[in-house]
Amino acid sequence: GNSVTQMEGPVTLSEEAFLTINCTYTATGYPSLFWYVQYPGEGLQLLLKATKADDKGSNKGFEATYRKETTSFHLEKGSVQVSDSAVYFCALSEAGGTSYGKLTFGQGTILTVHP
Amino acid sequence: NAGVTQTPKFRILKIGQSMTLQCTQDMNHNYMYWYRQDPGMGLKLIYYSVGAGITDKGEVPNGYNVSRSTTEDFPLRLELAAPSQTSVYFCASSPPATGTSGKEQYFGPGTRLTVT
Repeated sequence: GNSVTQMEGPVTLSEEAFLTINCTYTATGYPSLFWYVQYPGEGLQLLLKATKADDKGSNKGFEATYRKETTSFHLEKGSVQVSDSAVYFCALSEAGGTSYGKLTFGQGTILTVHP
Repeated sequence: NAGVTQTPKFRILKIGQSMTLQCTQDMNHNYMYWYRQDPGMGLKLIYYSVGAGITDKGEVPNGYNVSRSTTEDFPLRLELAAPSQTSVYFCASSPPATGTSGKEQYFGPGTRLTVT
């Protein structure tokens, strides 16, 4: 079956530091890959996505590149802000067949950014 | 555009009580999902639906039931609440995948349920 593994958290950084959150996956087909963000007390919001190998998703200064050869989709940001403090989830979805858009999530990584 | 709405936001149940968590989306999405999120954990799929009248079990369906009589609504029913069902419940919707690209899901704000 499909699975997503994220780096263990929590991650604590100072403002303007560089962020990397690792994500690797296993899938039987050719999945689409997503990063979702969850701010305290809220639901999940899509941060960025990539639908095929070598695609780069980007949004709000965050980036992630779909690497089929290493089955990875690592999240990066060059300079984090206090407002980036949240839980980040890596997820995959396979198109077609009986997948019906179901998402497989990683366990989430808590990010705390200090001023 | 309201997106996905859920009610109630919070609820405390006694063991053995029943309740229905409501979920409505106004995006005309065919696919809808219910997840639970336990503290410090990722999301686990409870049930999903691919259209009105069609539902199927996810990863953790025991203790729950669903129905889908309209495209917009996808209520989740807890018949005999147990402490193990204390969790945050999220409803989500998405359009069908096209070609080889999976589509993102849109999430509601969640319902925080405590069973004591």
